[in-house]
Amino acid sequence: EDQVTQSPEALRLQEGESSSLNCSYTVSGLRGLFWYRQDPGKGPEFLFTLYSAGEEKEKERLKATLTKKESFLHITAPKPEDSATYLCAVQAALGGATNKLIFGTGTLLAVQP
Amino acid sequence: EPEVTQTPSHQVTQMGQEVILRCVPISNHLYFYWYRQILGQKVEFLVSFYNNEISEKSEIFDDQFSVERPDGSNFTLKIRSTKLEDSAMYFCASIPWSGGNADTQYFGPGTRLTVL
Repeated sequence: EDQVTQSPEALRLQEGESSSLNCSYTVSGLRGLFWYRQDPGKGPEFLFTLYSAGEEKEKERLKATLTKKESFLHITAPKPEDSATYLCAVQAALGGATNKLIFGTGTLLAVQP
Repeated sequence: EPEVTQTPSHQVTQMGQEVILRCVPISNHLYFYWYRQILGQKVEFLVSFYNNEISEKSEIFDDQFSVERPDGSNFTLKIRSTKLEDSAMYFCASIPWSGGNADTQYFGPGTRLTVL
């Protein structure tokens, strides 16, 4: 069964304190791995798509990496406005032609000034 | 920048009533999706829709649920007889094309459904 597990469930950082979020996945062939940001009461906001092991993508203070079993979202020198829930999702290559997303439960990040 | 919109933002209904949640996907997109997120839980796939028919549905999407694209812009989710456990955030998403690569799904802001 295709599955996504994120850790930690919650993370509290001081402003400027870098850290990483983990997303482990089990999927019947990976078509793509996605990172989204979700603010309370809002819809997921797209951050990155990763397609193959070894790939990396960066955007401002965020950097996403991918291996054959997991992905990391590295946050460098975070600011309070980076506080949100970060969601990881996968699309399985054998999951049909519809590209449905399978989500993890997310990591709730709180960055304190 | 084009975005997915959803109405209403919050819907309160009595158990057993019918509700229709509305979405306007991004204009040149072809695949449409509904997901739901029960408070404190993960986002779950409900259904995908392409070329005016359902492409795939999850176990959650039983006979009480239906989807429709009544015109060229709207995409709706109907729940015929709501249950308490249908209370959740419902998200609409769309992609321009489902080809060989993984296509990024863009999500709307969601409709919070509260069933009393």
